Amino acid sequence: GNSVTQMEGPVTLSEEAFLTINCTYTATGYPSLFWYVQYPGEGLQLLLKATKADDKGSNKGFEATYRKETTSFHLEKGSVQVSDSAVYFCALSEWGAQKLVFGQGTRLTINP
Amino acid sequence: KAGVTQTPRYLIKTRGQQVTLSCSPISGHRSVSWYQQTPGQGLQFLFEYFSETQRNKGNFPGRFSGRQFSNSRSEMNVSTLELGDSALYLCASSLEIAGGGEQYFGPGTRLTVT
Repeated sequence: GNSVTQMEGPVTLSEEAFLTINCTYTATGYPSLFWYVQYPGEGLQLLLKATKADDKGSNKGFEATYRKETTSFHLEKGSVQVSDSAVYFCALSEWGAQKLVFGQGTRLTINP
Repeated sequence: KAGVTQTPRYLIKTRGQQVTLSCSPISGHRSVSWYQQTPGQGLQFLFEYFSETQRNKGNFPGRFSGRQFSNSRSEMNVSTLELGDSALYLCASSLEIAGGGEQYFGPGTRLTVT
């Protein structure tokens, strides 16, 4: 079946550091790919998405590129802030289904 | 435009009881999905409803059920609660887009089973 694998956490960085959270997927067909973020005590918020190969999703300084050849969708940000501290989930949406398959989540902590 | 709302936000139940959770989607969204979030299993898909019909179902026992009303509001029910049902239950709504559009999540209902 379809699956998503994220890098193990937690990840701790200093403010203004460069961030990469790795995400790879296994899927049949042509899934859409997403990054969601969850702040403490809240539901999930969509951070960015990409719907086809080579698409780049971006939002709030975060970026991720849909790489079909490596089945990856790594999340990057050039300079993180304390307010970016949260849990980040990579997910795919199976073609033709409104169903998300999530990775296990990566807890990110940014220290001032 | 109001977001996805879920009620109640917190719930404490005893083993063996049943519980009903409610979700109101974003206006105009006709697809509603439910997810269970636990520290051990992460985020798992429960089921999805569209136009009052269940279209997809995850790998959960029959104690977990749901329904959707004509105004797209949805409820999920868990009968004969077990300790392992303690979790954050998230509802998400989306527009119907072929290939899967983004889903918008509510704040969740935190269910504790004692």
